[in-house]
Amino acid sequence: EVQLVESGGGLVQPGGSLRLSCSASGFTFSSYAMHWVRQAPGKGLEYVSAISSNGGSTYYADSVKGRFTISRDNSKNTLYLQMSSLRAEDTAVYYCVKEAAGEIGLDYWGQGTLVTVSS
Amino acid sequence: DIQMTQSPSSLSASVGDRVTITCRASQGIRNDLGWYQQKPGKAPKRLIYAASSLQSGVPSRFSGSGSGTEFTLTISSLQPEDFATYYCLQHNSYPPWTFGQGTKVEIK
Repeated sequence: EVQLVESGGGLVQPGGSLRLSCSASGFTFSSYAMHWVRQAPGKGLEYVSAISSNGGSTYYADSVKGRFTISRDNSKNTLYLQMSSLRAEDTAVYYCVKEAAGEIGLDYWGQGTLVTVSS
Repeated sequence: DIQMTQSPSSLSASVGDRVTITCRASQGIRNDLGWYQQKPGKAPKRLIYAASSLQSGVPSRFSGSGSGTEFTLTISSLQPEDFATYYCLQHNSYPPWTFGQGTKVEIK
């Protein structure tokens, strides 16, 4: 059974930094691209970032480019999102999401971790 | 970037009704589209992939159609457990990908 468990969320001041982690199990982590998607309170889903299976390629939404860094450690089956220069508008639940095989989008989602940016 | 326009933003329907939700892409995306259902406080769940393929375990009352720029999610006979918010996601070419704005399906 695929499991994705996010951690690292919490309250941070504007301008601060936070690192999210996503521990994966139930599949061969190193074979799949992984993604982060977020959802501000009461709002829709917003695509954040992606990383290829070997970590060699990374992608970002314009809203986070230059402030967030996605990475992975395939030896630990873990995905990361390093967030810096945080703003109030980054407040959201952050989901770790597995890409499906065969270039058919996203299949499995974690339960999410809440990041609150506030003074 | 490819923009996705989803409509309606909300709808009210009764149990047993047929419901249709539409997503339009700002440029052709072949069939690189999925549909997701989200209930309050829960992570999204995929219903449809490749525009019209039913995810394993999803009831057959859900169906998807379309290609290119216009896509539709249909619920043939709405059930109580279907009241939720639905999103489309385009995954054409390299990320960043884009979600539709969401459609909240409420009880009439």
